[in-house]
This record gives sequence, structure tokens and C-alpha cells, in this order.
Amino acid sequence: NAGVTQTPKFRVLKTGQSMTLLCAQDMNHEYMYWYRQDPGMGLRLIHYSVGEGTTAKGEVPDGYNVSRLKKQNFLLGLESAAPSQTSVYFCASSYSSLGRSSGNTIYFGEGSWLTVV
Amino acid sequence: RKEVEQDPGPFNVPEGATVAFNCTYSNSASQSFFWYRQDCRKEPKLLMSVYSSGNEDGRFTAQLNRASQYISLLIRDSKLSDSATYLCVCQTGANNLFFGTGTRLTVIP
Repeated sequence: NAGVTQTPKFRVLKTGQSMTLLCAQDMNHEYMYWYRQDPGMGLRLIHYSVGEGTTAKGEVPDGYNVSRLKKQNFLLGLESAAPSQTSVYFCASSYSSLGRSSGNTIYFGEGSWLTVV
Repeated sequence: RKEVEQDPGPFNVPEGATVAFNCTYSNSASQSFFWYRQDCRKEPKLLMSVYSSGNEDGRFTAQLNRASQYISLLIRDSKLSDSATYLCVCQTGANNLFFGTGTRLTVIP
């Protein structure tokens, strides 16, 4: 059981380049999330999805786009990378809304390290 | 003001020691609370949920004080394998978790 898988794990981009991070989960979870983690900032929510075909903005959505064409996949796109987007990106998923049960667990992927030069 | 604030540490403690981490949150409407553990260059993993009545899981005890908007984690009989960063997490709203910056713990032989 792979859980949540992110690709690529490491990437170096030049300013202005575009790229897509892929997240795949095999747990049949409805909800999926993209977070970024920066030193001194903690994890911050970029975008999330409550089901196939739906997406919503999180705390720091600017500069990113997402798509959820299939239930198991959640893509994070950077159209024109900037050095401020150098970060560690974590995808996560959960069975249902976190608000419905305090015991509902969110599962994270292993992270994608992105450097924009 | 950050949603969740933690002392970043580091906390360096000998094996067998008891160590406590504290965390405060700013939004009184926060609904659920958690402690996550994150190893170096790894993803966060749920350690335990935090309930108003306090809860214990082996050597780990978590407490919540809603009046003071304060959460704590106590680790007894520290093991080398407890070395990690501990993230305090608050849930506000249906789909958002607010993470603290983490408290780094190193258990020394």
C-alpha cells in the first residue's frame, strides 16, 4: 500500500520556468491538499480539493494552480517559478472533511524539494 | 500574529528524562488539536490528538486548556528514537490545519 506518493522528489528550476508536481493516493480519499513548508513558517495550505473536479484556495494560493481530474491525483502547477517558491511541498489526503471527526487523520506524502534559482 | 506559536527549541535532554512542550493558539474558534511528529527531511506524521480532558498514549501525554488557548505535550522516559521535531496543530474550519513551526527535540545518550 503506497499511501500518498509525490513526484518528483527533487527539482531545480530557473526563474520563469514552469513545472507540475504530481500527487497520487491509493486510499480512495475524497480530500487532498497541497502544503508548503518553509523555515520559521510551519506548513501552510496552498490549495485543497474536496472531491474529483473541485479545487479551492488555501492560505497561500498565489503563483500556484491545481487540478483534480481524477480522484486519486492532485496536481500542483507553477506557471512561472519565482525564487520565493523555493520550498518543500507536501501533498496530503484524508478520507473526509477534517471537521467531521477530530479523529480523521490526514496522511502526507514524503515531500518534494523544489529550488528556484 | 501566527495562528499557532511554539518554542522552536532545540531541547536537548538525556535519555530517560521527562520533557514538556507548550503551544499557544490564537483563534478561540479552533475545533480540534493535534501533535504531529516530523523526522528530519521526512513528512509529518500524526502522534496524537489532543482532547479537552487530556489524553495519554504510553509515554506521551497531551493536554488542552481552552480557557488559556494552550496545548502541551509531555514525554516521559525519553528514548533516543524520540528525537524529532514536534508540530502543534490546530484545526479551524472544515478543511484547514494550522501548523506551528515545530519544537526540535534531541535525546542524548
